[in-house]
Amino acid sequence: GENVEQHPSTLSVQEGDSAVIKCTYSDSASNYFPWYKQELGKRPQLIIDIRSNVGEKKDQRIAVTLNKTAKHFSLHITETQPEDSAVYFCAAGPSSGGSYIPTFGRGTSLIVHP
Amino acid sequence: SQTIHQWPATLVQPVGSPLSLECTVEGTSNPNLYWYRQAAGRGLQLLFYSVGIGQISSEVPQNLSASRPQDRQFILSSKKLLLSDSGFYLCAWTRKGTEQYFGPGTRLTVT
Repeated sequence: GENVEQHPSTLSVQEGDSAVIKCTYSDSASNYFPWYKQELGKRPQLIIDIRSNVGEKKDQRIAVTLNKTAKHFSLHITETQPEDSAVYFCAAGPSSGGSYIPTFGRGTSLIVHP
Repeated sequence: SQTIHQWPATLVQPVGSPLSLECTVEGTSNPNLYWYRQAAGRGLQLLFYSVGIGQISSEVPQNLSASRPQDRQFILSSKKLLLSDSGFYLCAWTRKGTEQYFGPGTRLTVT
């Protein structure tokens, strides 16, 4: 099955700095890679995703890059703000025939200091 | 638009008692449905998923079970809770594609 590793487990930055979280996956059949943000005590919220036919995707201050050859993908947050503080999860998995079973990383706790 | 509901929001149960958590989705039909458990400070563990009524796949052997009696209803059950069953239980759904959306969760404490 799929194995997803996420690093770092904790990331502390100053407001305005950039933050990068990296994930690697093992199953070459994986073709969908979402990122979730989970604030304390709340549900994970989908913030951005990328499919295997795309190398990069941006949405305002966040971006995701995918390197299929190396089997890794990364979340980039620019101009970080205190409200970006949360736990971020990556996931990977194959999507085919209407079925999708993601494997999640263990999460990165991002702390943005004002 | 689609909405996913879970109840109860919080639950405190003694060891050995039964459990029933319910999840319903509105505004879509024939979704894929998932149950996850998240222990404190940990990642998401997939427990069950379902691609249709009566179709349940189990990812982790345990004392929990799941059922899907209706298209948009997913139920997580246990006959006898263990201390290790404590956690944050999340239901999620996807269309027959990939974007996965989570419910608000049930925080279960087994005492």
